[in-house]
Amino acid sequence: QQQVKQSPQSLIVQKGGISIINCAYENTAFDYFPWYQQFPGKGPALLIAIRPDVSEKKEGRFTISFNKSAKQFSLHIMDSQPGDSATYFCAGVRGSTLGRLYFGRGTQLTVWP
Amino acid sequence: GAVVSQHPSRVICKSGTSVKIECRSLDFQATTMFWYRQFPKKSLMLMATSNEGSKATYEQGVEKDKFLINHASLTLSTLTVTSAHPEDSSFYICSARTSWGDTDTQYFGPGTRLTVL
Repeated sequence: QQQVKQSPQSLIVQKGGISIINCAYENTAFDYFPWYQQFPGKGPALLIAIRPDVSEKKEGRFTISFNKSAKQFSLHIMDSQPGDSATYFCAGVRGSTLGRLYFGRGTQLTVWP
Repeated sequence: GAVVSQHPSRVICKSGTSVKIECRSLDFQATTMFWYRQFPKKSLMLMATSNEGSKATYEQGVEKDKFLINHASLTLSTLTVTSAHPEDSSFYICSARTSWGDTDTQYFGPGTRLTVL
């Protein structure tokens, strides 16, 4: 059972545009929601993360919007660049499970120049 | 900070041989490390959770006798693929858990590409 559902599976955006990736979760015990960026042949890198008591977190061009009542959260990449082309994974974490990550299926983002 | 290394980055071996992959947290101590397997264009599949000084906890369907995990210190965990076969060919990634301030998350290694001939 997929505890975190992610969409879309793939996304193509023009340079300078806004990339939006959505995730939804069922488990209300999740208390931490990180996003990871992965380039081909590399390990995932932590991009940005949020806790459910915050509705929005911004770091540079990356923003997480969090809707606790809807159990949804999204990643917005402003002014998308070709270098942002990568696979993005959202995840949920329950502190009681020693930090185990429950990943979404991933979104392959392509930013055209 | 929060750097995790893996060695080797890629390995090619013959069927039936064993391969050891090392995962190190370079600038922090990790009480918990995780081992993942990733197929092309797929998400990460958790194989096992490794706690320093204790036996690893394997996910359902993962053969513990085939994928031996040792977490000997707070900065080193190893995964040994025993009697490797072509179907074990995959991208193996480790991660290490750390808690800094209000952050409790995992940092990933660069991965190891295993090819079994």
